[in-house]
Formats: sequence, C-alpha cells, structure tokens
Amino acid sequence: ETGVTQSPTHLIKTRGQQVTLRCSSQSGHNTVSWYQQALGQGPQFIFQYYREEENGRGNFPPRFSGLQFPNYSSELNVDALELDDSALYLCASSPNRRNTEAFFGQGTRLTVV
Amino acid sequence: DAKTTQPPSMDCAEGRAANLPCNHSTISGNEYVYWYRQIHSQGPQYIIHGLKNNETNEMASLIITEDRKSSTLILPHATLRDTAVYYCIVRVDYGGSQGNLIFGKGTKLSVKP
Repeated sequence: ETGVTQSPTHLIKTRGQQVTLRCSSQSGHNTVSWYQQALGQGPQFIFQYYREEENGRGNFPPRFSGLQFPNYSSELNVDALELDDSALYLCASSPNRRNTEAFFGQGTRLTVV
Repeated sequence: DAKTTQPPSMDCAEGRAANLPCNHSTISGNEYVYWYRQIHSQGPQYIIHGLKNNETNEMASLIITEDRKSSTLILPHATLRDTAVYYCIVRVDYGGSQGNLIFGKGTKLSVKP
C-alpha cells in the first residue's frame, strides 16, 4: 500500500470520447505526476503538477490535460480518445517536485475501442 | 529516451542473491541513480536511490562504480515475490527542479524455486 489511490481501476471508452481519471495523493505530498504505460513498455511521463500548477510536461499532445486541487489530488483528462490511448495510466505522488521517492498508485487500465 | 541500458531478462534461484546491472555512461554529476520495480499489474515501487556512494536499505543494496558509469542493484536473498520488472533510472532535472522519471524497458527478473 502506497497511500496513492486511483479511480476507476478499469475503463472502456469509445474512440472520440473524453475521459477523466482521478488520483488521490499520499498525505503530505504536494506533487503529482502522471504516466502512460503501453503494454510491454516502461511508463512514459505525461506531466507533473506541483501545488496546483503544471510543473513539467512530456511529449504528449494538448488533448492530454490535467488539474491538481487544493488537497493535492489530481485529474488527468484525455479528449478525442484514440485507439493508441489504450494503456495503463499511473499516478505518482511525491513530497516534493524533485520526485524523490515517488509513490505510485495501482493505475487505471483504459481501453479505447 | 532512457539514459540507461539494462539486460532484458535475468533468472535467479530462490534464496540466492540477485545482481541486476545497469549502464549509465552519460550520467551527469548531479544526477542520481534510482531503482524501481513493477510487479505484474501493479504500479512501480520505489526501491533505492544513490548519487555516488553505495546505499543499503531494508529492500536492497545499490553499488555505484567510482566513475558512476554503471551500477548494480543487489537483492541479497531473492524470494519468489521479487519476480518483477526492475527499472534503473537516471533522474533528469530541468531548470525548475522538476524531476520526472524516464523509464526504459527494464530487466524482467524471474526468481525460480
């Protein structure tokens, strides 16, 4: 148990739809990062939020967006879903924006059909 | 792209030490070496990290060569539950001190009875 909770655990969406994934960070952690993990690959960094502001972004298009709330929980939104967006989406929380000892949630398995 | 090179797979007998190598020949002076592992269908789990000195915790030991171009993660007494994909990561720092994790494909460690 890492104290990082993601919901839902599984989700099936249709191409073109929009999806929102949620993450509750570990108590006392002010930084949340999101990663996408395709089958057989390592996680790929999407973006990071530190104290409610985006603090870094990977090579993902603008249809991937996010929010961090005052309680440091976070959302990942993906618009205009594509088949290639099917993946495990991981959230990690850290006590600082340098991501020392980041703790990951169990992930949300998104399938786009 | 990941800045590390790891063998794709390794086997280890239960109860023996598992030594997982990692090459990071282009590491910069202020970059740390991090190790995470991912057990099937779970989020990555932090194991250990270090800068240049050897480190040990309750899970593992990290040996970093003097030139810092390679390191070895040691699980002293591997158990079946240590079967996982192990990721060696060199943490990138951007100007704003944001440190996302760049995962490669890792080493799939199989611990056998």
